[in-house]
Amino acid sequence: AQSVTQLDSHVSVSEGTPVLLRCNYSSSYSPSLFWYVQHPNKGLQLLLKYTSAATLVKGINGFEAEFKKSETSFHLTKPSAHMSDAAEYFCVVSDVGAAGNKLTFGGGTRVLVKP
Amino acid sequence: KAGVTQTPRYLIKTRGQQVTLSCSPISGHRSVSWYQQTPGQGLQFLFEYFSETQRNKGNFPGRFSGRQFSNSRSEMNVSTLELGDSALYLCASSLALGGGHNTQYFGPGTRLTVL
Repeated sequence: AQSVTQLDSHVSVSEGTPVLLRCNYSSSYSPSLFWYVQHPNKGLQLLLKYTSAATLVKGINGFEAEFKKSETSFHLTKPSAHMSDAAEYFCVVSDVGAAGNKLTFGGGTRVLVKP
Repeated sequence: KAGVTQTPRYLIKTRGQQVTLSCSPISGHRSVSWYQQTPGQGLQFLFEYFSETQRNKGNFPGRFSGRQFSNSRSEMNVSTLELGDSALYLCASSLALGGGHNTQYFGPGTRLTVL
């Protein structure tokens, strides 16, 4: 069975400083991994995805994530936080080779950006 | 291309009633998945439909059901509503089945409140 653990439920950063959101996963197969962002009262927007190509994945809005198989981690980073980055972020795993598209979500990390 | 649309955006029902939610996928997408989001349980997979057939199901009671039409539009039905069914219901579409390589794109959700 697959699972995802987001190590921080809340992260607070100052505008212009780096952001690090930590994610560890467990999967029986070769996983596909995603980061989604959810702004208040909105749906989920895809930030980036890893599908066994390059281990460093670049996404939208300056975010990137590094897949580390040995550590079963997929941490999300951004060099400089912007006020618009305040939102909830979800790390997601999907089994490749499974019959369907079932996604397993982490518990989410709520990001607060201070001016 | 238009994104995933969900109607209605907000619903208020009373215990014991039933409700139907609708989802129109991105044009050309044939897979539709449904998720429930609550503060306590987070994001949980309900079911996935592809070519009018349920292909994958999460761990929810039989009161939760769905269907998909020939144009890929999907509906989700919840019968005999309980207070605990209050949640944001998210619909996601993707091009096809086949595991994690198929990115899921989410709609804005339907906020259901059960009184």
